[in-house]
This record gives sequence, structure tokens and C-alpha cells, in this order.
Amino acid sequence: QVHLVQSGAEVKKPGASVNISCKASGYTFSSYYIHWVRQAPGQGLEWMGIINPSGGDTSHAQNFQGRVTMTTDTSTSTVYMELSSLRSEDTAVYYCARDRGWGGSAFDYWGQGTLVTVSS
Amino acid sequence: DIQMTQSPSTLSASVGDRVTITCRASQSIRSWLAWYQQKPGKAPKLLIYKASSLESGVPSRFSGSGSGADFTLSISSLQPDDFATYYCQQYDTYPYTFGQGTKLEIK
Repeated sequence: QVHLVQSGAEVKKPGASVNISCKASGYTFSSYYIHWVRQAPGQGLEWMGIINPSGGDTSHAQNFQGRVTMTTDTSTSTVYMELSSLRSEDTAVYYCARDRGWGGSAFDYWGQGTLVTVSS
Repeated sequence: DIQMTQSPSTLSASVGDRVTITCRASQSIRSWLAWYQQKPGKAPKLLIYKASSLESGVPSRFSGSGSGADFTLSISSLQPDDFATYYCQQYDTYPYTFGQGTKLEIK
């Protein structure tokens, strides 16, 4: 069955970068886009961006302009999300999620989440 | 950005009740709306996509309706497992946006 397995929790200092991985299994990796969503403690869900695992093309929310980089490694069925210039407000659980369509649909499978804590 | 507004923010109900959650978009999103259920410490779970299509494996007591800018999620007979937080999400236009959530509590 479909699984998205994310890398483990991270603690970072302000100004640093974090790189989170999301390894897919149980389906054809190149056929489904992947989204990134984050959730600050006690808060709602915030869409960060989307990547085409096959072509590598991306789109992201303006809130993260210049700070987010999404990449893909088809050889390992893994997508990565790097967030740079971290600040305390970036403390959140970060999720990858599969698009059930072809980049324009709802999210049918989610990773388990990766907690990123930004603290000096 | 398209704003998604859910109401109510908190809903108290009992097992067996029928409940409805409303989601309003700041502009038309046609039928490109999803509903998710989230429990503490867990990832969201897709319940409804394209406003009214039930995701595979989701109990039929969940239903969605609406189009344009106004949508509802209904649960016909609440079960103990249904007490959670519910989010609507538009996927008509980037950036995709979520409602602020509705916490469904046991009365």
C-alpha cells in the first residue's frame, strides 16, 4: 500500500536551514505530485508548495518566496523540502502529502509529519 | 489568496447526532474543495474531494455538498471516532488554502 515516510525531528537555530525528506512507496512515484503542508503548534494547516516528482517543476506559496526549495530523486522515490533562514515562527510540524490527481486535486496520502523546532 | 472561513470554530455534539460544518470561500472555487479530519498528533485524513465525492474507505455517514463559494460537510450519525478537528481546503487556485478548522467535541 501507499506510504510516505518522512525524516525525523529537527532542532535548528535561527538563521539555519532544514532539509526534510519524504520517501514514497507502494505506487508509481513519478505519477503523482507531492505537496508540502505545515502546521504550527495548536494552529491550522498552511500549504507551502508542490513538486512534480518526475519533471521537478515546482510552485510555492509567496509566503516562502526565496526560502523554500523542493527537489526530487526519482532513483530513491524521495522528495525533499529545504527551508532556509529559519525563524522561530517556522517551528511547526511539516507534512508531505500526495496529490490524488495530477497536480490539481486533494491530498489522499500524508506522511507522518516532521517536527522542526527553531530555537536559540 | 482565497480565504476559507469555516463555521462554527467549535461544535459540541453527542454520539448519534447529525452535525453540519460550513465552509465559505472568498471567491468561487467551483467544486474544487476537500474536507479533512485530523486527530491530535496525527496527519490529516482525506474525507471528501471535489466537494461531494467520498474518498475510498470513508464511512458513508460523511457527506459533502455545495459549489461556487458555499460548502457543507455533514455527518449523519456521530460515532465516538468522529470527534476530531475538521478542515476544508480549496484547490482551485495556488496558493491552496485551508479553513481555520472546526473542532468537534463531545457534549
